[in-house]
Amino acid sequence: NAGVTQTPKFQVLKTGQSMTLQCAQDMNHEYMSWYRQDPGMGLRLIHYSVGAGITDQGEVPNGYNVSRSTTEDFPLRLLSAAPSQTSVYFCASSTRGRSEKLFFGSGTQLSVL
Amino acid sequence: SQKIEQNSEALNIQEGKTATLTCNYTNYSPAYLQWYRQDPGRGPVFLLLIRENEKEKRKERLKVTFDTTLKQSLFHITASQPADSATYLCALGGNNDMRFGAGTRLTVKP
Repeated sequence: NAGVTQTPKFQVLKTGQSMTLQCAQDMNHEYMSWYRQDPGMGLRLIHYSVGAGITDQGEVPNGYNVSRSTTEDFPLRLLSAAPSQTSVYFCASSTRGRSEKLFFGSGTQLSVL
Repeated sequence: SQKIEQNSEALNIQEGKTATLTCNYTNYSPAYLQWYRQDPGRGPVFLLLIRENEKEKRKERLKVTFDTTLKQSLFHITASQPADSATYLCALGGNNDMRFGAGTRLTVKP
């Protein structure tokens, strides 16, 4: 059972470039979310989705876009990368909602130069 | 504003001792609290959940307490082993919201 799969594992971008971080889960979870993790700070919620076709903003949504066309996939798009977006990004899913037990992917380490 | 503080960035203990990690919070009334373990280069892994009406919960060598008056949770690992070395995150949840602390890095020395 793969759980939550994130790709790529590492990525280096130049300022202004765009890219998509991929996230897929095979647990038939309704809820999916994206977090960023920065040194000395807790995980911060970027965007989340409670089901296919439904997305909403978290604490730090600026500069990021999401869509949820299927239950399994929840890609995160960086529209125009900035150095402040250098971080480790985690995708997480749960059976019911944001405050339930979360299953995390292994993360994407992103550097924006 | 809501604040979650985990006692220290790093905690070093000797193998066999009990590790105690602290999670304090302010301006928040969580319905429950979760603890996660995170290894380097990996995503957090769920360990335990304790609800506001529960004082204590145990799972094998792990014990969590939750004091809503003190606004504090304690996370204990008894008979600690080098394999317990990791970063431990607390997360406070309720009302369809969840907030994470920055974590405590535990190192258990043989």
